[in-house]
Amino acid sequence: TQLLEQSPQFLSIQEGENLTVYCNSSSVFSSLQWYRQEPGEGPVLLVTVVTGGEVKKLKRLTFQFGDARKDSSLHITAAQPGDTGLYLCAGERNNAGNMLTFGGGTRLMVKP
Amino acid sequence: EAGVAQSPRYKIIEKRQSVAFWCNPISGHATLYWYQQILGQGPKLLIQFQNNGVVDDSQLPKDRFSAERLKGVDSTLKIQPAKLEDSAVYLCASSLDWGRAHFYEQYFGPGTRLTVT
Repeated sequence: TQLLEQSPQFLSIQEGENLTVYCNSSSVFSSLQWYRQEPGEGPVLLVTVVTGGEVKKLKRLTFQFGDARKDSSLHITAAQPGDTGLYLCAGERNNAGNMLTFGGGTRLMVKP
Repeated sequence: EAGVAQSPRYKIIEKRQSVAFWCNPISGHATLYWYQQILGQGPKLLIQFQNNGVVDDSQLPKDRFSAERLKGVDSTLKIQPAKLEDSAVYLCASSLDWGRAHFYEQYFGPGTRLTVT
């Protein structure tokens, strides 16, 4: 059983559409990160959220941390083919000393 | 700034053989991590080093996996003997430091794809 559940696992959409990816857990996290991973490469950090209810924006990407710090969402507006990749959420549990638990990932494909 | 370097990039071995992976972290990064990423899953932390000491290795299968960071810089991860279920990408990451009050960004290398036949 994964500590962090991501949904959906796969998403195939047309360019210009909006989408939301969810990351849910029954555990509380002191911080939560979102990464993007492309084939043959390691994950690259997109954002870190630390405060319950926090919202961060990165161009067309909006990240939200749940009030209880147990869940998070990633919303992409007007998706582009360059957004294609594997999106991973990862949480640092309280007092875990930088140790991350990753979700299973959401594989996004944006078709032109 | 050079990123995290890993070698080899690909390795194919037969079950029961041994294999070793090498990682060179970003210069000045005290903390180094090894992750296992099985196809279709997120990375799973195997071991975390702070300089040349182990911070956590609770998820490392110690009967067959070993890792060291003798001089507190580069690191090797070894599997002996390999099993079919060890087929995965092995990712190395580094961060400037680690701590309980502050999250330090982890920078990942490209990984080594291991296939055990």
